[in-house]
Amino acid sequence: AQSVTQPDIHITVSEGASLELRCNYSYGATPYLFWYVQSPGQGLQLLLKYFSGDTLVQGIKGFEAEFKRSQSSFNLRKPSVHWSDAAEYFCAVEGRDDKIIFGKGTRLHILP
Amino acid sequence: ETGVTQTPRHLVMGMTNKKSLKCEQHLGHNAMYWYKQSAKKPLELMFVYSLEERVENNSVPSRFSPECPNSSHLFLHLHTLQPEDSALYLCASSQILGGVGELFFGEGSRLTVL
Repeated sequence: AQSVTQPDIHITVSEGASLELRCNYSYGATPYLFWYVQSPGQGLQLLLKYFSGDTLVQGIKGFEAEFKRSQSSFNLRKPSVHWSDAAEYFCAVEGRDDKIIFGKGTRLHILP
Repeated sequence: ETGVTQTPRHLVMGMTNKKSLKCEQHLGHNAMYWYKQSAKKPLELMFVYSLEERVENNSVPSRFSPECPNSSHLFLHLHTLQPEDSALYLCASSQILGGVGELFFGEGSRLTVL
């Protein structure tokens, strides 16, 4: 069965600093992978997705993620964070049964 | 209105009450979902509807009863809930089942069971 692990529950970075949020998945074949963001009091919004092809995918709000099959990882990155990036970030995987499974989330805090 | 709209945004109910959560999507999508979001737990998929037919019921207790009268509306009927059912209930839609991509989420209904 597929699963998603986000090892960091909380991450704190200074505004302007770079960011990397970790995500590891478990799935037998090439999965469909996603990153979603949830701002306080809001629903989830898709940041980016990977289906196939180029392993570096670009998303909205200046985010990117890299699929590494050898490490079963799909880490999210941003070169310079803004205070408005403070939110909770969810990695997700979709398997053959069309179920989308989410990780527990990483809450990002931004220091001024 | 656009996107996915959920009402009410907040709901407090006793264990013996009956209430309903409503979700409406204005995106012309064919699949709709209920997720439960509890603190420190992953989002839990509860129910999936595709073209108004239920295709997934993830071992959800019978005190939760979904209804999908048409492809734009989804309800979650609640009765005799337990305090551990307190959570944020998120509705989502996608163009087709599974989405192969993007789920569009509502802002959620925050449920508190006393």
